[in-house]
Amino acid sequence: DQQVKQNSPSLSVQEGRISILNCDYTNSMFDYFLWYKKYPAEGPTFLISISSIKDKNEDGRFTVFLNKSAKHLSLHIVPSQPGDSAVYFCAASAKNNDMRFGAGTRLTVKP
Amino acid sequence: DGGITQSPKYLFRKEGQNVTLSCEQNLNHDAMYWYRQDPGQGLRLIYYSQIVNDFQKGDIAEGYSVSREKKESFPLTVTSAQKNPTAFYLCASSINERGSPLHFGNGTRLTVT
Repeated sequence: DQQVKQNSPSLSVQEGRISILNCDYTNSMFDYFLWYKKYPAEGPTFLISISSIKDKNEDGRFTVFLNKSAKHLSLHIVPSQPGDSAVYFCAASAKNNDMRFGAGTRLTVKP
Repeated sequence: DGGITQSPKYLFRKEGQNVTLSCEQNLNHDAMYWYRQDPGQGLRLIYYSQIVNDFQKGDIAEGYSVSREKKESFPLTVTSAQKNPTAFYLCASSINERGSPLHFGNGTRLTVT
């Protein structure tokens, strides 16, 4: 039973445009949500996070939005750059910080 | 340079053999984790440990075992009971604080034939 879902396996955008990656979760006990970026044959690296008491967190070109009532979060990247091309994982954790991950979305940013 | 070291990067074993994957961290993190990545399934939690000499099962612990005798080390043994052991295995660590991000190693790709 996947508690964190990323329903789009891939996304392709033009350089300079906005990339929007989506994530849904089912466990209402999750109180922290994180996004990671992953290149092939490497471990994921942390990108940005948000706690459940907020609905938005921004860090440079990256913004995460949280809609608790819909159990949905999204990552916005603007402007998108070719170097952003990677697999993006959404993750969520509850009280034990035992983090659960979605299946990932492969983002391709075309020059 | 602080980080997480997983070794080896590639590992090959015959079916029926147990194999142990190494994970060492020098970040002074209390919590450590093991995940498995399969195509299209993202990362699935195998085991995690929040403190030395203690660990908990994740979502797919069957066929795996771990130990946490030292803060720096969290080895994972893939036993012959694991039905589909071929996968990419990722170790991670974090400080023991809610919402703290995980720091990952570069993974071990295990192939069992």
